[in-house]
Amino acid sequence: EAQVTQNPRYLITVTGKKLTVTCSQNMNHEYMSWYRQDPGLGLRQIYYSMNVEVTDKGDVPEGYKVSRKEKRNFPLILESPSPNQTSLYFCASSSPGLAGGGDTQYFGPGTRLTVL
Amino acid sequence: KQEVTQIPAALSVPEGENLVLNCSFTDSAIYNLQWFRQDPGKGLTSLLLIQSSQREQTSGRLNASLDKSSGRSTLYIAASQPGDSATYLCAVKGSYIPTFGRGTSLIVHP
Repeated sequence: EAQVTQNPRYLITVTGKKLTVTCSQNMNHEYMSWYRQDPGLGLRQIYYSMNVEVTDKGDVPEGYKVSRKEKRNFPLILESPSPNQTSLYFCASSSPGLAGGGDTQYFGPGTRLTVL
Repeated sequence: KQEVTQIPAALSVPEGENLVLNCSFTDSAIYNLQWFRQDPGKGLTSLLLIQSSQREQTSGRLNASLDKSSGRSTLYIAASQPGDSATYLCAVKGSYIPTFGRGTSLIVHP
């Protein structure tokens, strides 16, 4: 089954304790992205990757890191989480599509993070 | 900077009604526009993707149109059902960073 998986689905942590949220896709997609969703602000892109070893900042990258060492995996790293990073996080993947603008995006089920 | 607006923010209709959800965007230089459905506490499910060169896409009871020149897209849902209750989001892609609207929360009551 084609899917994007994220782990963990729920996480409660404390300020400053490093954490990693994993994301994996089985569709051989080149493009992968991380988003956060907050009430009243909607979905905002944190980082994206066009292929292995190619990553770039989205709209809200501060406080986050990513890496793309393998095509299928795109982990999100919070080196020193703070309460303002409490949010619902989504990973997504797609193929490049026409003119490289991106094809249908497939989203993971989400990770609800609470930073105390 | 691209701005995406979805109207209405919330909608409640009786089962069987045909309805239209609206999405407007400020920059017409886009690659594509995608409509998603999001159920409470769940991820996003892609409904329809319209490339910039296309005018509309259809899937079952759903039809999405795109008018780039006016910066508008509509999602038409025919013969609505209670199972259609969800939040519907549109996302406009003009670069590698898509811009999402805030969504329309739809309730279809029996």
